[in-house]
Amino acid sequence: QQQVKQSPQSLIVQKGGISIINCAYENTAFDYFPWYQQFPGKGPALLIAIRPDVSEKKEGRFTISFNKSAKQFSLHIMDSQPGDSATYFCAASAAGGGADGLTFGKGTHLIIQP
Amino acid sequence: DSGVTQTPKHLITATGQRVTLRCSPRSGDLSVYWYQQSLDQGLQFLIQYYNGEERAKGNILERFSAQQFPDLHSELNLSSLELGDSALYFCASSVGAGVDTQYFGPGTRLTVL
Repeated sequence: QQQVKQSPQSLIVQKGGISIINCAYENTAFDYFPWYQQFPGKGPALLIAIRPDVSEKKEGRFTISFNKSAKQFSLHIMDSQPGDSATYFCAASAAGGGADGLTFGKGTHLIIQP
Repeated sequence: DSGVTQTPKHLITATGQRVTLRCSPRSGDLSVYWYQQSLDQGLQFLIQYYNGEERAKGNILERFSAQQFPDLHSELNLSSLELGDSALYFCASSVGAGVDTQYFGPGTRLTVL
């Protein structure tokens, strides 16, 4: 059972454009939604995270939009740069219980064309 | 560099064998998590330890086990290895449990021949 569905699988965006990756979840107990960025040969690194008590969080060029009623959240990368080319994973956990691993989406391979 | 270290970087072994992967968390972090990354299954949570105690279990096979030692380093033991166990194994650590940011190590690439 895939609890976090991520789309698209791959995405090509022109430099300066907006990259948008979407995720949907099923488990209503999830209360922590991070996005991770992974470069080839490296471990995932936290990009930005949101709790369900806010609908949007922005950090620099990265924004998470969260829709609790639809059980969906998305990552927007503004002014996308070639250095943003990487695999992006959304994730979720029922972290409020104090003990839970992350449930990851399948990942989106993002390519920013110069 | 996340501050999480994992050894070895690569491991090649044969089916039926047993291996041990090692993880040292960031200084001050009490929680250690193990994840498996494969092409077909993606990133999957295996198990979490907090200050030496098992805290949460994910999709960990019975052939796999882990422990966290008093110095907080952790080991993941994989036994009776099968071809399908070939994957990247990541360790992550966080200060506490729950909403704390998980910092991932560079991973151990396991190849079972």
